[in-house]
Amino acid sequence: QEHLQESGPGLVKPSETLSLTCSVSTDSMKNKYWSWIRQPPGKGLEWIGYVYFNGTTNYNPTLKGRVKISVDTSNNKFSLRLTSVTAADTAVYYCVRTGYDYVWGALSWFDPWGPGIRVIVSS
Amino acid sequence: SYELTQPPSLSVSPGQTASIPCSGDKLGDKFACWYQQKPGQSPVLVIYEDNKRSSGIPERFSGSNSGITATLTISGTQALDEALYYCQAWDSNTAVFGGGTKLTVL
Repeated sequence: QEHLQESGPGLVKPSETLSLTCSVSTDSMKNKYWSWIRQPPGKGLEWIGYVYFNGTTNYNPTLKGRVKISVDTSNNKFSLRLTSVTAADTAVYYCVRTGYDYVWGALSWFDPWGPGIRVIVSS
Repeated sequence: SYELTQPPSLSVSPGQTASIPCSGDKLGDKFACWYQQKPGQSPVLVIYEDNKRSSGIPERFSGSNSGITATLTISGTQALDEALYYCQAWDSNTAVFGGGTKLTVL
């Protein structure tokens, strides 16, 4: 099973860009989906978006326009960029493999999860 | 936008059965997943595609999904099952999570 690890700055100033990277320990990122999910302090989980190994992406409509997820399969990494951040973007950010059911042709589960990285938006 | 609704909290006595509901419009037509999260830890996949146990999950965990409600059932609940539980489904290529249910074992 893969192991995922988030990295990036733990503090970002308001209006700036949040950039995180997920390093994936795996034989290959090929034919797999990879997501970012966040959890504000004391709150529930919010899916941010996913990237397929070929670069295809899809984002949560609530964040569209501010978010970009990219993948670097040669280095087994994928990244998150979130622009114009505010205090509302303060959260623990998780990178997660996203399962796909080839029988039903549908996205399915999130597993495994990285340990998460806490990001605070503050001046 | 699609929403999944869970009760904020639920209590169960040790050894009893806990049933955690998750409701959403035509949820039975979608696959439901369940995650367990303990304080300070990442969520862990418990149930996927309505009723399949993830690797390493004890048999006392089971799931069902029909109509508008998916249910996570924990039989013979143990103290170590005390945690937050989140349901999740996909709608229009967007992943949606329920608000989470805090399960207390006392």
